[in-house]
Amino acid sequence: GAGVSQSPSNKVTEKGKDVELRCDPISGHTALYWYRQSLGQGLEFLIYFQGNSAPDKSGLPSDRFSAERTGGSVSTLTIQRTQQEDSAVYLCASSPSGRWDTQYFGPGTRLTVL
Amino acid sequence: GDSVTQMEGPVTLSEEAFLTINCTYTATGYPSLFWYVQYPGEGLQLLLKATKADDKGSNKGFEATYRKETTSFHLEKGSVQVSDSAVYFCALNENTGNQFYFGTGTSLTVIP
Repeated sequence: GAGVSQSPSNKVTEKGKDVELRCDPISGHTALYWYRQSLGQGLEFLIYFQGNSAPDKSGLPSDRFSAERTGGSVSTLTIQRTQQEDSAVYLCASSPSGRWDTQYFGPGTRLTVL
Repeated sequence: GDSVTQMEGPVTLSEEAFLTINCTYTATGYPSLFWYVQYPGEGLQLLLKATKADDKGSNKGFEATYRKETTSFHLEKGSVQVSDSAVYFCALNENTGNQFYFGTGTSLTVIP
């Protein structure tokens, strides 16, 4: 079956512009996670959704970052007024109900802010 | 707070060599521990996991034992292959499902 997909795969933007990153989880997966992977760094947790709700937003690095999930499926991560330090690979993962310990990762979106 | 520390790479080994990648953790509770692998050009995928102390996770010839006394979850393989070349990430979750803590990753290259 189809895995987690993310779009775009690469995004180059200018400092100060807004960007939207999309994640399509595996159909039926109730939990969805966003991570950021910066060069030389591990995966940094950003936000977690259970259904359409985000009970844990503690990882969002600033108020320029926001995320939403609609219909218990697609999620969008929005970064406003991008900065160069936002350059990273943004990863999305999903997991089925009751199986939070098994995450399925997408290929990521590589964001470059010039 | 919770954290994971893994040995820095990159690691380069000859085929059939023994592999150890060290991972230690800090947690407030009794977490589950994981190893994820990222092959070149692919997304992360779960390699193995252990949910309680003294459990051993294993998959594809890789093993890791959950050591509560040393707060460690070292990854081992007795004989690596070229196809094992990848980046390996250690991770933990406090069994809440909410947040995973990942290490910085260790790049492994196996040469023929």
